[in-house]
Amino acid sequence: GQQVMQIPQYQHVQEGEDFTTYCNSSTTLSNIQWYKQRPGGHPVFLIQLVKSGEVKKQKRLTFQFGEAKKNSSLHITATQTTDVGTYFCAPTTSGTYKYIFGTGTRLKVLA
Amino acid sequence: DSGVTQTPKHLITATGQRVTLRCSPRSGDLSVYWYQQSLDQGLQFLIQYYNGEERAKGNILERFSAQQFPDLHSELNLSSLELGDSALYFCASSVEGSLISSGYTFGSGTRLTVV
Repeated sequence: GQQVMQIPQYQHVQEGEDFTTYCNSSTTLSNIQWYKQRPGGHPVFLIQLVKSGEVKKQKRLTFQFGEAKKNSSLHITATQTTDVGTYFCAPTTSGTYKYIFGTGTRLKVLA
Repeated sequence: DSGVTQTPKHLITATGQRVTLRCSPRSGDLSVYWYQQSLDQGLQFLIQYYNGEERAKGNILERFSAQQFPDLHSELNLSSLELGDSALYFCASSVEGSLISSGYTFGSGTRLTVV
């Protein structure tokens, strides 16, 4: 099925290191959402970005929407073991993408 | 508790059988979405209903069908089950019908094992 690529697919970091996942689209997006799924859990909505170049912060998490609204990133500063999980982007356009999720980035944090 | 209720939590059945998964959306949400997540895989969109009407279809097999009832709960029917249908099936809900401007709220999922 149709998917949006996220990179990297996996990331192992030492606790305290930073982490970034990228979500890339070939088409201009209306908005993009980010979700976190803990191991054995369900996806939980984190944030939505709408405007070109938008940057939003949630404590140690920084979300960015590209100027061309074709890509987005999630950056975690000083990772903690509680950050473990898979991070998904969910881009939205009226045409190409509808209700799809990115391929996800699985983060493991080593204590 | 997210407010989206899925039953059952676990289901084990044999190949060739038919099962029904149930979802009650969060109070006030009119849209229900079904997703399939195979082991360590991403979320595959299956189908969406909005206020009782089918609104969008994803990669849903012909052996699968869904509906949304007047009380807005939804059921996903999976028939002629194959081993490859083993997966976690999530239901999500939202207020809007399209171009979601707020997040989906996911249920805890139904883990289906076909043996």
